[in-house]
Amino acid sequence: AQSVSQHNHHVILSEAASLELGCNYSYGGTVNLFWYVQYPGQHLQLLLKYFSGDPLVKGIKGFEAEFIKSKFSFNLRKPSVQWSDTAEYFCAVRGAGGYNKLIFGAGTRLAVHP
Amino acid sequence: EAQVTQNPRYLITVTGKKLTVTCSQNMNHEYMSWYRQDPGLGLRQIYYSMNVEVTDKGDVPEGYKVSRKEKRNFPLILESPSPNQTSLYFCASSTTGGTGELFFGEGSRLTVL
Repeated sequence: AQSVSQHNHHVILSEAASLELGCNYSYGGTVNLFWYVQYPGQHLQLLLKYFSGDPLVKGIKGFEAEFIKSKFSFNLRKPSVQWSDTAEYFCAVRGAGGYNKLIFGAGTRLAVHP
Repeated sequence: EAQVTQNPRYLITVTGKKLTVTCSQNMNHEYMSWYRQDPGLGLRQIYYSMNVEVTDKGDVPEGYKVSRKEKRNFPLILESPSPNQTSLYFCASSTTGGTGELFFGEGSRLTVL
């Protein structure tokens, strides 16, 4: 079955700490991969996406993610988090080519303390 | 400003009282979709629409209806709401048949007593 697994449901960090959020997916075939962020009380916004090419993708606000095809993973990273990064982060996968449903992970809630 | 607008943002209702959550986008997107967000479950798709008069079920369509009479609007209808439909609902739209980036509305928090 197609699915997305986010390993950590809650992460607590201090400012300036490094961040890595795990995402693994189960999907046959070529995929498009996404990370969305939801700040408290707001709607989801696209952080970054991977369609093809360089597996290291850079997004907004200093975030990056690396697609490792052999591991079916698309982990999100940031070298130094800020208090304003406190949010919920969702990994999502979709089959490439034509319409395919976007499948979301359960989300990881990140709290950054000053 | 490009946006997806949902109304109402917050609603408390009682079991069985029909309600409609409206969704409108101003980006001329063909594709629109409804999701519900529940703790620990992420976002699950309720219905989607590839274009006007074309709708299809997502993962959790039971208890919901939709319509797509105009390109910009995609209302979500709960004919007889039940407490298990208490959730946070998001409308989203996209270009290119749902293959592009999804733009989300602000969300509608619904409580059914």
